[in-house]
Amino acid sequence: DAGVTQSPTHLIKTRGQQVTLRCSPKSGHDTVSWYQQALGQGPQFIFQYYEEEERQRGNFPDRFSGHQFPNYSSELNVNALLLGDSALYLCASSPGAGGASYEQYFGPGTRLTVT
Amino acid sequence: GENVEQHPSTLSVQEGDSAVIKCTYSDSASNYFPWYKQELGKRPQLIIDIRSNVGEKKDQRIAVTLNKTAKHFSLHITETQPEDSAVYFCAASMAGGKLIFGQGTELSVKP
Repeated sequence: DAGVTQSPTHLIKTRGQQVTLRCSPKSGHDTVSWYQQALGQGPQFIFQYYEEEERQRGNFPDRFSGHQFPNYSSELNVNALLLGDSALYLCASSPGAGGASYEQYFGPGTRLTVT
Repeated sequence: GENVEQHPSTLSVQEGDSAVIKCTYSDSASNYFPWYKQELGKRPQLIIDIRSNVGEKKDQRIAVTLNKTAKHFSLHITETQPEDSAVYFCAASMAGGKLIFGQGTELSVKP
């Protein structure tokens, strides 16, 4: 049973460019959340997707957008990259929004460096 | 706004001693409190969690306590081992929604 997977592992982009990160949830999970983790800090919530809709959103600008596909996988898109967007981007999956289980399991993350 | 405060930021203990990490949350609607362990360069790993209808939960050497009135919850690790060395994060959420994380505690267990 595969856990949460993310791609790519590492990415280097230039300021102003756009990036797409991908996440496949753990088998049986239908809810995907995205977090940004700057060096030495706790993860910061970006948004959560359930049933292909954005269910909750954190304090991130509209440059950050996402999508969830019918197979529950998800993408995070960031436009007009800034140096401050450099971070580890983590995807977490959970068994179901509104379900009985609240556990969120994290993927290995994508390390984004903006130069 | 929603906030989780975590203390201490660093903690050094001798192998075999106990370690305690404390968190305070601001949103009284929070009802789920997980703890994650993150080793260097790795993903956060869920190690234990507690819901607001329970005051304490144990799993071998790890325990979590929750005081809803004071909006405090704590992680207790007994008989610490060198492999317990990592950064530990507390978090709070409501009904499986967004996790609000604390700032992290770097635990060092010295042999």
